Amino acid sequence: DTGVSQDPRHKITKRGQNVTFRCDPISEHNRLYWYRQTLGQGPEFLTYFQNEAQLEKSRLLSDRFSAERPKGSFSTLEIQRTEQGDSAMYLCASSLGQGEYEQYFGPGTRLTVT
Amino acid sequence: QQPVQSPQAVILREGEDAVINCSSSKALYSVHWYRQKHGEAPVFLMILLKGGEQKGHDKISASFNEKKQQSSLYLTASQLSYSGTYFCGTVSFYNQGGKLIFGQGTELSVKP
Repeated sequence: DTGVSQDPRHKITKRGQNVTFRCDPISEHNRLYWYRQTLGQGPEFLTYFQNEAQLEKSRLLSDRFSAERPKGSFSTLEIQRTEQGDSAMYLCASSLGQGEYEQYFGPGTRLTVT
Repeated sequence: QQPVQSPQAVILREGEDAVINCSSSKALYSVHWYRQKHGEAPVFLMILLKGGEQKGHDKISASFNEKKQQSSLYLTASQLSYSGTYFCGTVSFYNQGGKLIFGQGTELSVKP
């Protein structure tokens, strides 16, 4: 068990470009969550999956954001037509189940939009 | 709605104790506590489920009062390694899917 991994760790992109992040959860975890964190704030929920099914998406998430978890293993988060306000740390977490199970976070992908 | 943490920041000398509170306006199913150091991911500390239980390991413990929708994190005999930002994450009783709603954080600094 190597923990949750994310790739890339850092991404610098120009406004208007598309970016894609990858998350590999702990292997036996069927739940996968995406959060976004800006400086000085707590992580903010974006979306989550149970196996390959996307069960909930934050109302704050614009249509430019999309996430997938094909085959219930790794997940990708894509941001289209990036804006400067998208600059943040994108965190992935995984867990064995619902709210009674702990979530383990990956190291995050820091996105900077210039 | 986001839970409210207090205090926002605290400075301790090594060996002193601290209490961090987390209060929600919603009925809670569980409360999760994390510590995050600058530039790193949040690290899981403990989870408390409804039932008013208290948990702890080493010198860090926590309680959960479901009637008051509050949780408190207790750090005793603080060590330098305890420095960081502490977040509570809550799971609503009515949305037990597991998404965490985090407080704004409490910054803890332990000085020698």
